[in-house]
Amino acid sequence: GNSVTQMEGPVTLSEEAFLTINCTYTATGYPSLFWYVQYPGEGLQLLLKATKADDKGSNKGFEATYRKETTSFHLEKGSVQVSDSAVYFCALSDLGNTPLVFGKGTRLSVIA
Amino acid sequence: DVKVTQSSRYLVKRTGEKVFLECVQDMDHENMFWYRQDPGLGLRLIYFSYDVKMKEKGDIPEGYSVSREKKERFSLILESASTNQTSMYLCASKWSTSDYGYTFGSGTRLTVV
Repeated sequence: GNSVTQMEGPVTLSEEAFLTINCTYTATGYPSLFWYVQYPGEGLQLLLKATKADDKGSNKGFEATYRKETTSFHLEKGSVQVSDSAVYFCALSDLGNTPLVFGKGTRLSVIA
Repeated sequence: DVKVTQSSRYLVKRTGEKVFLECVQDMDHENMFWYRQDPGLGLRLIYFSYDVKMKEKGDIPEGYSVSREKKERFSLILESASTNQTSMYLCASKWSTSDYGYTFGSGTRLTVV
């Protein structure tokens, strides 16, 4: 079945550091890929998405590129801020109404 | 903006009680979902619904049931609450043809004592 594996946290960075959170997937077809973010005390929000190979999703300075050859969708940001402290989830959706499959989440803490 | 509203933010129930968690969305979404979130386990799908009166089991349906009598409302029912159902419960919705991902509610943190 479909699955998502993302790097375990927690990840602690200093402000303005470079961020990478690795995500790899297993899917039978050509899934859409997503990154969601969960700020403390809140539900999940869609951060960015990509629907086909070589697509790059971007939002709020975050980027991720859909790499079919390595089945990866790594999240990157060039300079993190304290306000980026949250839990990040990688997810995939395979065709139409199939429910999203989530990774286990990676907690990011950014310190000033 | 689409809103998904979960009726309670925090809930404390006793073992054996029947518990109702309510979720309402205001954008006419066909699809609705219930997940539970636990540390180290991420999000796990309990039940989902493609449309009114329809329901499908997710990965961990045991001990739960759902009701979707109206398009905007999707209820999760714990038939007889147990301590291992203490968790954060997240509701989400989307249009059936959308590739824009889900809209989530803020979650209900349920404690069963």
